[in-house]
Amino acid sequence: AQTVTQSQPEMSVQEAETVTLSCTYDTSESDYYLFWYKQPPSRQMILVIRQEAYKQQNATENRFSVNFQKAAKSFSLKISDSQLGDAAMYFCAYRRKQRAQKLVFGQGTRLTINP
Amino acid sequence: GAVVSQHPSRVICKSGTSVKIECRSLDFQATTMFWYRQFPKQSLMLMATSNEGSKATYEQGVEKDKFLINHASLTLSTLTVTSAHPEDSSFYICSASSGTVAYEQYFGPGTRLTVT
Repeated sequence: AQTVTQSQPEMSVQEAETVTLSCTYDTSESDYYLFWYKQPPSRQMILVIRQEAYKQQNATENRFSVNFQKAAKSFSLKISDSQLGDAAMYFCAYRRKQRAQKLVFGQGTRLTINP
Repeated sequence: GAVVSQHPSRVICKSGTSVKIECRSLDFQATTMFWYRQFPKQSLMLMATSNEGSKATYEQGVEKDKFLINHASLTLSTLTVTSAHPEDSSFYICSASSGTVAYEQYFGPGTRLTVT
């Protein structure tokens, strides 16, 4: 079974600084999807970024980028120029490549932004 | 983007009663819907996967007779918590997929259930 591990329960960063959230996963499959989701206090799940395993290029969405190391099964999220609105729980998630597959979530990292 | 709604957003019920939570895809047909449970300060735990017109597939350890899931149409899935007890108090989140794009999954805003 696939597993996702986030070893940082909490992280904090100064506003405008850069922070990296860590995620490792375990799978025997060669092609899959990895995601970072944000859950603000409203608890609405928001997709931050998506990576396809067969693509070597790291995904980027504005201030958010990932460092995808397939061999090491590592998938970290870098947030540049942190903003107060980035404060939230962040979940790393894995999903098999087939359509309509379930998401397997990590434990989450609570990110605090210090003004 | 695709929108998923949940109703109600909050519900309080008495111990021993049943409560139904609805999950609707508003602008797409959801062939598959997922139900998650989230305890405070914890991650999302998948309870079951439902495909339109067929029985739900429950995750190990989830009581299917207690958490009844119905996915009778392509836009509606319901989760009924039967004979609710205080330990069933939690945040329930649904997500939906049309299956047309492999990676898509759209989340509802969640329902907070409190059993007194």
